[in-house]
Amino acid sequence: RKEVEQDPGPFNVPEGATVAFNCTYSNSASQSFFWYRQDCRKEPKLLMSVYSSGNEDGRFTAQLNRASQYISLLIRDSKLSDSATYLCVVTSLNRDDKIIFGKGTRLHILP
Amino acid sequence: DTEVTQTPKHLVMGMTNKKSLKCEQHMGHRAMYWYKQKAKKPPELMFVYSYEKLSINESVPSRFSPECPNSSLLNLHLHALQPEDSALYLCASSQDFAVGFGELFFGEGSRLTVL
Repeated sequence: RKEVEQDPGPFNVPEGATVAFNCTYSNSASQSFFWYRQDCRKEPKLLMSVYSSGNEDGRFTAQLNRASQYISLLIRDSKLSDSATYLCVVTSLNRDDKIIFGKGTRLHILP
Repeated sequence: DTEVTQTPKHLVMGMTNKKSLKCEQHMGHRAMYWYKQKAKKPPELMFVYSYEKLSINESVPSRFSPECPNSSLLNLHLHALQPEDSALYLCASSQDFAVGFGELFFGEGSRLTVL
């Protein structure tokens, strides 16, 4: 089974700072990439899809680097409400690796 | 508000009990999933139904039995569970089960405790 790897953190970041984390994947045939956010004891929720050209949604920017096989998430002007676990999700053509979740990166925004 | 509804939200059962978890979505999605999640771990895929047919069974023990009565409903029947099966059980749906998917809509989960 192919791997999707994330730094588990926790990242402890002061409010208002910029934080970025990456997710690496080993299957070069991977097709689609997503960032999910999961609050403590809640379900995961889709935060952003990640496109080859990169995409931005407000304070959040996601990028894909196919050559180096990683995706990134940048959060600007971080808010206390950004505290959560951020899960990287990779899908591929290979049936065995259809959807793979990374183990997640924990982010704590400090007041 | 989630568009995938799971019941019950909490369930406590003994090892000899039989219970069921239920999931419903009305988004017209044709793929539905059961995931198991332990604390501080990512969701772990159990089953996938595509167009009401079981598409993936991730070698889940037979004490877990999925059922998809129609395209909107997904059940997980539980029997003779073990304490280590205690976890958050998440149902999810997606538009389809094909290349380029991955936009999963999760329910709030059913938190199961096995005594």
